[in-house]
Formats: sequence, structure tokens, C-alpha cells
Amino acid sequence: TQLLEQSPQFLSIQEGENLTVYCNSSSVFSSLQWYRQEPGEGPVLLVTVVTGGEVKKLKRLTFQFGDARKDSSLHITAAQPGDTGLYLCAGATSNAGNMLTFGGGTRLMVKP
Amino acid sequence: DAGVIQSPRHEVTEMGQEVTLRCKPISGHDYLFWYRQTMMRGLELLIYFNNNVPIDDSGMPEDRFSAKMPNASFSTLKIQPSEPRDSAVYFCASSLVGNYGYTFGSGTRLTVV
Repeated sequence: TQLLEQSPQFLSIQEGENLTVYCNSSSVFSSLQWYRQEPGEGPVLLVTVVTGGEVKKLKRLTFQFGDARKDSSLHITAAQPGDTGLYLCAGATSNAGNMLTFGGGTRLMVKP
Repeated sequence: DAGVIQSPRHEVTEMGQEVTLRCKPISGHDYLFWYRQTMMRGLELLIYFNNNVPIDDSGMPEDRFSAKMPNASFSTLKIQPSEPRDSAVYFCASSLVGNYGYTFGSGTRLTVV
């Protein structure tokens, strides 16, 4: 069974600070996705990365896929209270059909 | 598109009662997934369907849980009889073939007392 470990599990920071969330596995993934979940709602897809070493930017969010496609990071610059939520990474393998394996999540709180 | 639609949003029931959760996936999506989320265990895949056919139900906790997808636009997850430990948020998600992006519904918060 593939396991995606996310760190840290909890993060509380002040508005304006930078942060990085990590997603690690011993398995190789064909693609990796990041989702954000707000209270009372389902996870919403932020980005998909498919190439080792790939970097994608979404406004103040920067996503990177590791060269070996086993890990990923999410960096947020100048965090805002609206960034508060649960961040989930999820990996897909080509031999598992369309099924994603989700990490345990990082719960982020950005205080004004 | 209205997205993935789940009903009800909240369900409170007594132990031993039957509970049925409903899901309408995005039109044209070939995959449908049922997940359960708790603080302790995070997101757990219960079962998923491809073209209305159940592919993997190894995540279904026990025989009390069953899921059906009678057509491409509707799926149900049934718990009978329900137990307090079933209390969780249940999510339905759908996706296209070859597109690994899932679209989740808003979930059903189930409380079994």
C-alpha cells in the first residue's frame, strides 16, 4: 500500500509569513495533485504536476514535484487568512487506474 | 455544471437505523468515488465505480456498508444497521477517464447517536 506522508500536520502562522508544506512517499507517482479543503466543504483541486522537477505557480502558491516523482512541496508566500484550510496531496499511479492515494493533510491557520 | 451534488448535507440518526446517502456526479464523468473523512483517519476510500461498475470495494468497512450505481447519474451509499462509529463526513467525488483531477461534493455529515 502506498503511503503519502504530509508534514507538518498542523501549522499556525501570522498573516504575511511564508510557509512550506511537504508531501513524501517511497513510491513513484505518475502524477501528484494538491487540494485545499475549507470547513464544511469538499476538497478542491489546486494543481496537478506530472513531470519530475516540474514547478507550477498559482498566484502566491508554488508547487514542485520532486525529480524522482516521489515527493512534492507547496510553498505559500505572504500567507493570508483566506489561505486557511486543510491542504491535501494525492498521488496517482498508472498501474492503479484512476485511483488517487491521499496524504493525511496539513491543517493551516493564518491569523490576521 | 452544478458540480457533484450530495444529499442530505446533514443526517442524524439513531443506532440501528438504516442510512442512505445520495450522490449525483458531474455529467460525463466515468469514475465515481465514495470517501469517508474523520479527524483520526483522514480521507479513506470506501469504493469506486467505473462506468457504473464497482471496481474496488476493499475499503468498505464491513457488510453493513453497501453502494450502488444504477446509472451514470446516480449513486447511493447505504449503511444498515448504523453504529456510532460510523459518524463521519462522507464525500462523493467524480472524474473523467485519464483526468486525475477529482471533483468532490460538499459531503454528508453523518451523526449516529
